[in-house]
Amino acid sequence: QSVLTQPPSVSAAPGQRVTISCSGSNSNIGSHYVSWYQQLPGTAPRLLIYDNEKRPSGVPDRFSGSKSGTSATLGITGPQTGDEADYYCGTWDFSLSAWVFGGGTKLTVL
Amino acid sequence: QITLKESGPTLVRPTQTLALTCTFSDFSLSTSGLGVGWVRQPPGKALEWLAFIYWNDYKRFHPSLKSRLTITKDTSKNQVVLTMTNMDPLDTATYYCARDFDFWSGTLDYWGQGTLVTVSS
Repeated sequence: QSVLTQPPSVSAAPGQRVTISCSGSNSNIGSHYVSWYQQLPGTAPRLLIYDNEKRPSGVPDRFSGSKSGTSATLGITGPQTGDEADYYCGTWDFSLSAWVFGGGTKLTVL
Repeated sequence: QITLKESGPTLVRPTQTLALTCTFSDFSLSTSGLGVGWVRQPPGKALEWLAFIYWNDYKRFHPSLKSRLTITKDTSKNQVVLTMTNMDPLDTATYYCARDFDFWSGTLDYWGQGTLVTVSS
């Protein structure tokens, strides 16, 4: 059971906007920055969003991040078949004194 | 170009100690704010943060695994070594090395390709 809760799966048609939620508590998301990672099948995770909403260079602006209270959201505008992957949120948990990840969300592009 | 690469055994017997080395390039672990460490992923499961070491030798550990983990750095060789004692089949996972580029925000911006470690007799 992960400290951060994500839906196991989401799906979207190309051209739609899809969001992935990450729910936590005051000891983690409510108190610290959130980052998001994309893991394509059979590959290592890749940083997608950091500091809640910032995109590293090379990440398309189709990807966006936001945070409100104890929840964070990853948005993907116009998902492509190449975006089919597992997506993980992560942040520091002050109660556990440990970095924690969500359980991951599998994106399917219909 | 920043790269990280994991090396170590692919098969470990139960109760043995695992030692994994992360060799990185194009940055120095003596740079203020930077850290290097380990994240693992059991087959078909989620990511699990294990341990990180920082430029000032500060170390962070997964609280429930802390007693089994050791992490060290060799700045001159651009290497970080993780040891995990008393290995169990439940420790079977792909072990990733990653860079934390900001001690305060904790952002893993570069990852190695990962190495699958199987624990079996």
